Amino acid sequence: GAGVSQSPSNKVTEKGKDVELRCDPISGHTALYWYRQSLGQGLEFLIYFQGNSAPDKSGLPSDRFSAERTGGSVSTLTIQRTQQEDSAVYLCASSLVMGQGIYNEQFFGPGTRLTVL
Amino acid sequence: AQSVTQPDIHITVSEGASLELRCNYSYGATPYLFWYVQSPGQGLQLLLKYFSGDTLVQGIKGFEAEFKRSQSSFNLRKPSVHWSDAAEYFCAVARANFGNEKLTFGTGTRLTIIP
Repeated sequence: GAGVSQSPSNKVTEKGKDVELRCDPISGHTALYWYRQSLGQGLEFLIYFQGNSAPDKSGLPSDRFSAERTGGSVSTLTIQRTQQEDSAVYLCASSLVMGQGIYNEQFFGPGTRLTVL
Repeated sequence: AQSVTQPDIHITVSEGASLELRCNYSYGATPYLFWYVQSPGQGLQLLLKYFSGDTLVQGIKGFEAEFKRSQSSFNLRKPSVHWSDAAEYFCAVARANFGNEKLTFGTGTRLTIIP
């Protein structure tokens, strides 16, 4: 497929367990973003990758949240010791990088719905 | 820091009627402005964007938006809605001239279309 893909589409877990969410960006997109969509907080930015480095991780809500990106492609968002307030839809987006100061459209994946019981 | 306000949580319009969704932003300069649509179970799709120039921008699916600097607004309009337009709509901003960076979203407006 040509779009951003995310897996799993749904994840149900018990409070206290760790979860990993995966994002496959569009081929050739070196910028990758994670957002969270929840009833109480709306759509919030979590972290931004440029290649394998994360110049902006200001949106990660706590040290239980971490993300990595390897090979400039796939990214994994890990939530440790999940809490009920972590229940949300986690969206990934990717974009090209065309040059300094140039903004490029973000293309979103369908999201992973996380439910913490 | 920038912020976005969408004052209408839920709007209901009749099919064929006109639509306007409101968006106000707070930022020290003119940001980049976006409208996204999210259909049930789908990701976000970009409807249109404003970077600079003509303040009336055209997007996909017959939508348009007008940037008004004096009102810090970027309202979305459509002259005649279709049942398929039922979805959630998000206004978003990004800092201008900073290259690729995060979007800041409003809380969204859910649009219901009645026959």
